[in-house]
Amino acid sequence: KAGVTQTPRYLIKTRGQQVTLSCSPISGHRSVSWYQQTPGQGLQFLFEYFSETQRNKGNFPGRFSGRQFSNSRSEMNVSTLELGDSALYLCASSLVDEQFFGPGTRLTVL
Amino acid sequence: SQQGEEDPQALSIQEGENATMNCSYKTSINNLQWYRQNSGRGLVHLILIRSNEREKHSGRLRVTLDTSKKSSSLLITASRAADTASYFCATEGAAGNKLTFGGGTRVLVKP
Repeated sequence: KAGVTQTPRYLIKTRGQQVTLSCSPISGHRSVSWYQQTPGQGLQFLFEYFSETQRNKGNFPGRFSGRQFSNSRSEMNVSTLELGDSALYLCASSLVDEQFFGPGTRLTVL
Repeated sequence: SQQGEEDPQALSIQEGENATMNCSYKTSINNLQWYRQNSGRGLVHLILIRSNEREKHSGRLRVTLDTSKKSSSLLITASRAADTASYFCATEGAAGNKLTFGGGTRVLVKP
């Protein structure tokens, strides 16, 4: 069974731009969660989607948004990028409670 | 904000030795999960222990959970160079699939 996939793997953007990251969960998993990892703040929860509905949300500004499609694939969007948004963005999918992570998207904001 | 602390922050051992790391958390949980991360890559799920369990084994891994002390430990026995990585604990509370991570323990296994 294929694991969680994320695209793109690497991304370079400039301040003020917006970016969309994509995540395909493990087949049959309906929950998709997003996390941000930075050296300073560590791993922080962004949001979780289940059956196309946002079920949980972390403490991030409204510039961070997401959605989930009927096939459970998810996207997250960051608008008006700031230098501090440079991070590894990780997506995880879950069937029940174990969460399985993808390889991440490394976003660099210049 | 992070749920708790992991101790130690870094650990250096010889191949064949055991590695033990601890995780403390602050609020009640449904389960606690341990992950491994190599060099800023994705997280690899190691083991999940539920709040009503006290100990769990998986291969060379042993996890304990003490809910009265709000702490967990991960033991890696007979370590190998390939175990070199950062290890994170993450707690899941009543809100469901929302993991709160500790700061991680960097483990270096020297051949």
